[in-house]
Amino acid sequence: NAGVTQTPKFQVLKTGQSMTLQCAQDMNHEYMSWYRQDPGMGLRLIHYSVGAGITDQGEVPNGYNVSRSTTEDFPLRLLSAAPSQTSVYFCASSPRGGRRTEAFFGQGTRLTVV
Amino acid sequence: GDSVTQMEGPVTLSEEAFLTINCTYTATGYPSLFWYVQYPGEGLQLLLKATKADDKGSNKGFEATYRKETTSFHLEKGSVQVSDSAVYFCALSEDGATNKLIFGTGTLLAVQP
Repeated sequence: NAGVTQTPKFQVLKTGQSMTLQCAQDMNHEYMSWYRQDPGMGLRLIHYSVGAGITDQGEVPNGYNVSRSTTEDFPLRLLSAAPSQTSVYFCASSPRGGRRTEAFFGQGTRLTVV
Repeated sequence: GDSVTQMEGPVTLSEEAFLTINCTYTATGYPSLFWYVQYPGEGLQLLLKATKADDKGSNKGFEATYRKETTSFHLEKGSVQVSDSAVYFCALSEDGATNKLIFGTGTLLAVQP
């Protein structure tokens, strides 16, 4: 039972480099999201998708791009990494909309920008 | 806007002690409330939830009651174990169109044998 799979688990980037954080889910969930976790701030929503081909911005979208070409995959792209993007990134999926619906999280990607 | 406030950690307890982690929320509508747990090196997983006033969520000996009058959702467990050591996040969901979760800052629980 893979659930939500994120790769890589750890990454070190230099300022200005770009990279893509991968997220895949095998539960046929419609909704997918990216959050970042910073000390003392909980998790904050970066981008989300309510289905293939549909994405929208969350609370902290600047510096990140997403696309959703398939139901399974929801990659997060850092266009030009900055030290402020040092964080732990979590991908999450939900089977449907609705405020009662549980989110399933991946194990996270710890990103350090130097 | 909506927000969640939970008690600062770390909380350090001895095994078999009683646990309370306080959580209060601010919301414009009628949210669902969740507790997520993050074990070391892992992602978040749902611990329990409640979707309407006076609902009690429970799982693995943990309980929390949705109190609309005090806008609270405190997490309790009668007897903690070393294996309960983790970070606990209180969260709310109000926007059914996005499933956006609003999280508190997390509370680290350390249980000593």
